[in-house]
Amino acid sequence: DQQVKQNSPSLSVQEGRISILNCDYTNSMFDYFLWYKKYPAEGPTFLISISSIKDKNEDGRFTVFLNKSAKHLSLHIVPSQPGDSAVYFCAGGNEKLTFGTGTRLTIIP
Amino acid sequence: DVKVTQSSRYLVKRTGEKVFLECVQDMDHENMFWYRQDPGLGLRLIYFSYDVKMKEKGDIPEGYSVSREKKERFSLILESASTNQTSMYLCASSLGANSYNEQFFGPGTRLTVL
Repeated sequence: DQQVKQNSPSLSVQEGRISILNCDYTNSMFDYFLWYKKYPAEGPTFLISISSIKDKNEDGRFTVFLNKSAKHLSLHIVPSQPGDSAVYFCAGGNEKLTFGTGTRLTIIP
Repeated sequence: DVKVTQSSRYLVKRTGEKVFLECVQDMDHENMFWYRQDPGLGLRLIYFSYDVKMKEKGDIPEGYSVSREKKERFSLILESASTNQTSMYLCASSLGANSYNEQFFGPGTRLTVL
């Protein structure tokens, strides 16, 4: 039972444009959601989070949107840069996190 | 900066061997976690621990055990390694139960079981 789903395994975006990564979840008990970024041969690093009581959180080029009625969240990266090329995982959590399967983002120069 | 270290980056073992994966964090975090990452499956939680000598099963604990004798150290044990345990293993730690539970990850151990 996949509680957190990332339906796009990969995404390619032109440098300077907006990247939008999507995530759907089924567990309405999650208190918060996080996005992690992972480069090859490294552990995931925390990017941005959002509490379940909010619908938007912004940090520099990164914005996370939460639509609780649709059980959907998205990560917007504007403008996209080559260094953003990585695998992105969304996760929902209470005392522990449940991760999605990841989306590989490739930024085309 | 939080640092989570894992004892090996790469490990090759034979079927049936007992395997120990060690993880150490230096920020006095309460919680520690073990995940495995496989293509198309994302990160799946094996075991976690909220305190010394405490452990909880995650989503895929079968074939694994853990040990937490000291707060900073969390060990994952494969009692009898099998080929389907070939994977990337990631350790993580987080501050405590009332935090946002932002987890800090180690670099991972790529285990191959032949």
